[in-house]
Amino acid sequence: DTEVTQTPKHLVMGMTNKKSLKCEQHMGHRAMYWYKQKAKKPPELMFVYSYEKLSINESVPSRFSPECPNSSLLNLHLHALQPEDSALYLCASSQGLGIGATNEKLFFGSGTQLSVL
Amino acid sequence: AQSVTQLGSHVSVSEGALVLLRCNYSSSVPPYLFWYVQYPNQGLQLLLKYTTGATLVKGINGFEAEFKKSETSFHLTKPSAHMSDAAEYFCAVSSLGGATNKLIFGTGTLLAVQP
Repeated sequence: DTEVTQTPKHLVMGMTNKKSLKCEQHMGHRAMYWYKQKAKKPPELMFVYSYEKLSINESVPSRFSPECPNSSLLNLHLHALQPEDSALYLCASSQGLGIGATNEKLFFGSGTQLSVL
Repeated sequence: AQSVTQLGSHVSVSEGALVLLRCNYSSSVPPYLFWYVQYPNQGLQLLLKYTTGATLVKGINGFEAEFKKSETSFHLTKPSAHMSDAAEYFCAVSSLGGATNKLIFGTGTLLAVQP
């Protein structure tokens, strides 16, 4: 199994809603990531978890709240989002060996397309 | 600070023609460089990466890239384009250290392949 599974694939929410994005991998990876990708733009890193601990937070607004309940799961809790938060949210995982390791490679999910009304 | 610049947001080639996608990097430390491909409504897939060692890196789907320190470049090439190569291509850079990958992506190049 070399997949990163993201649910839901599409999500429409109002600015007062609370929703969660889910990401799952069963490759034994110990690093997991959230990226945000606006249309026609490159992915931008939001959060990195390493061994279930938050290691990088790229100054993301608190209306985005990540959670890593175990080594296979990564959630992104959403609350009081703004229309400009509409984007493709990508989850990724890697072994966590370090960027220079030959076998270190990010596996990306297909993303959740989020629309905030 | 690290960054990558991709020259040309759109590139169009004929099927069977050479593919050349340009990427220049800026880094104050030895960089790690990557090329990713993104098909419509999909996540990103790693094509190839340069860390250390051989400067000509071969990747999947017949792609390769050459790290040229003197030119601060890491251009992606493929000798013969196939229709299935049509996608968005992102160059990315990262730096030494840590157990996680902090990738900084370029703005992307959309490759179109004409029959």
